[in-house]
Amino acid sequence: GAVVSQHPSRVICKSGTSVKIECRSLDFQATTMFWYRQFPKQSLMLMATSNEGSKATYEQGVEKDKFLINHASLTLSTLTVTSAHPEDSSFYICSARIRDRDSYEQYFGPGTRLTVT
Amino acid sequence: AQSVAQPEDQVNVAEGNPLTVKCTYSVSGNPYLFWYVQYPNRGLQFLLKYITGDNLVKGSYGFEAEFNKSQTSFHLKKPSALVSDSALYFCAVILIKAAGNKLTFGGGTRVLVKP
Repeated sequence: GAVVSQHPSRVICKSGTSVKIECRSLDFQATTMFWYRQFPKQSLMLMATSNEGSKATYEQGVEKDKFLINHASLTLSTLTVTSAHPEDSSFYICSARIRDRDSYEQYFGPGTRLTVT
Repeated sequence: AQSVAQPEDQVNVAEGNPLTVKCTYSVSGNPYLFWYVQYPNRGLQFLLKYITGDNLVKGSYGFEAEFNKSQTSFHLKKPSALVSDSALYFCAVILIKAAGNKLTFGGGTRVLVKP
């Protein structure tokens, strides 16, 4: 149980285009989902926290107009990288918390490798 | 503010030998502590957590960790390492009811187990 999927696993896009990454909780309802960014050989950096039905809370230094997050349902959150540039190339990982469970449990998706050319 | 430190960027160990990955934390209250493992190009997999109770916590794949409040440490251990344990390990902390219960990760320690 407690499986989180991400789609796509890899995406290559041209500079200036937008790309959407989906994060789904497959067998549970997630009240809160988190989006992280990971650079090579580095730790995870929290980008934003999204709660179902409300606006995402972005961490300091993360551009909310560039990284659009939508948490439309209890099983789906999306991250859209708008007007992507090569410096946005990174590994993006989502995680989810189970509804009605202890609020500290988080389950991570397999990640999405974004390459902007 | 809460923080986690993993003082070693990489740990090398021979297969069959004990493995230790160090983690120290800094929080102003009672921490919830976690270890995760990441294989190449994959997300994080949960290994174990400390909430309350016994200081020695047993987790997945034969790993265990000991919570030491006086030393503010939560080192990950495995008595006999396997080549398949080679991966990136992250320690993380949550200070409950602060900062939205967000996980704060350490910098990660790469473990290389040689045959």
